[in-house]
Amino acid sequence: EVQLVESGGGLVQPGGSLRLSCPASGFTFSSYAMSWVRQGPGRGLEWVSTISSSGVGTYYADSVKGRFTISRDNSKNTLYLQMNSLRAEDTAVYYCAIYIQTGSNEDYWGQGTLVTVSS
Amino acid sequence: EIVLTQSPATLSLSPGERATLSCRASQSVRSYLAWYQQKPGQAPRLLIYDASSRATGIPARFSGSGSGTDFTLTISSLEPEDFAVYYCQQRSDWPLSFGGGTNVEIK
Repeated sequence: EVQLVESGGGLVQPGGSLRLSCPASGFTFSSYAMSWVRQGPGRGLEWVSTISSSGVGTYYADSVKGRFTISRDNSKNTLYLQMNSLRAEDTAVYYCAIYIQTGSNEDYWGQGTLVTVSS
Repeated sequence: EIVLTQSPATLSLSPGERATLSCRASQSVRSYLAWYQQKPGQAPRLLIYDASSRATGIPARFSGSGSGTDFTLTISSLEPEDFAVYYCQQRSDWPLSFGGGTNVEIK
């Protein structure tokens, strides 16, 4: 059974930092690119970042570039998102998910972790 | 940056009716377009990938069409479990992007 379990969310003050983790199991983690997608309260889905299977390639939304860093540890089957200089508009549920550009119907998502940025 | 515009924002229909959802891209995304369904409190679920290929386990009443800049998700006959929010996502270029969503609600 495929499992992606996000953790590390919580309440943080504006300007603060958080590190999200997403350990994976049930599939060959090192073979897949991985993404973070977020959803603000009552809002739609927003792509945040993607990392290649090897970790060499990283991509970011303009809204988080320079503040967030995506990384992975294939030896631990875990995806991370380091979030610095957090703003109120970063408040959202953060999901980790596999990323495949084309040719596959594989679709694995975590249950999400809530990040609240507030004083 | 590719902007995806979904219409309508809300679709009010009855069970058994046909739903037609639109997704328009600001520039060509070729066929690198996916459709997701999301219900309250749940993660999104992949319905369609590569514009027209149904994901595993997705009923045949769901179909996708289009290429380039104009795409359509059709639900041929709405079942009670189909009332949800639907998002398109382009996978053609970085940064990736989602449309704003279409809420399919019970009339």
